[in-house]
Amino acid sequence: DGGITQSPKYLFRKEGQNVTLSCEQNLNHDAMYWYRQDPGQGLRLIYYSQIVNDFQKGDIAEGYSVSREKKESFPLTVTSAQKNPTAFYLCASSSSLGPGETQYFGPGTRLLVL
Amino acid sequence: KNQVEQSPQSLIILEGKNCTLQCNYTVSPFSNLRWYKQDTGRGPVSLTIMTFSENTKSNGRYTATLDADTKQSSLHITASQLSDSASYICVVSAGTYAGNMLTFGGGTRLMVKP
Repeated sequence: DGGITQSPKYLFRKEGQNVTLSCEQNLNHDAMYWYRQDPGQGLRLIYYSQIVNDFQKGDIAEGYSVSREKKESFPLTVTSAQKNPTAFYLCASSSSLGPGETQYFGPGTRLLVL
Repeated sequence: KNQVEQSPQSLIILEGKNCTLQCNYTVSPFSNLRWYKQDTGRGPVSLTIMTFSENTKSNGRYTATLDADTKQSSLHITASQLSDSASYICVVSAGTYAGNMLTFGGGTRLMVKP
């Protein structure tokens, strides 16, 4: 998991509630990413950030929001607009944005709906 | 649309045996292909990376091959161990500088039994 921490490990969301997943890295990486993993499917990109105070929507951004106020932190908020939030959420970082850069993943947060 | 297909979806082998996992992709423009290992409930960890000009890459008991003409890759595991039980994910990178440059396969779930 190398230098990327995610918390909590498990998170429960009630109907209509917003919840925030934490992601911190101490690798001094500029780029950070959020992915969603559903059983039997490939990881899907939610949001990514190339640099502090900048972020871009990924393939499935609806119902999610992010911020990048600090280089080491990239929290993800799952809003009540996300109707099917139950999934495994993975945060990743890389030195910079680019196809040659290896992305390093955190241990993940499993979100469950009550 | 960029796609990565992996087979088989799941595989059970006995400890000490060899196995081969397959990955077919349609990603353009192609930059590189990675194999990741993901233990249950954890984030993926990179095993190998291959660019267009590389045919094979080894990492201990893991050997990856790439045929860029047929757009196929394989991951061969030699003398399997119980700790090899995990999901193996094929990830293809497009030659772009955007957060969605990675296309993930759905993974092969490997179980090694004693």
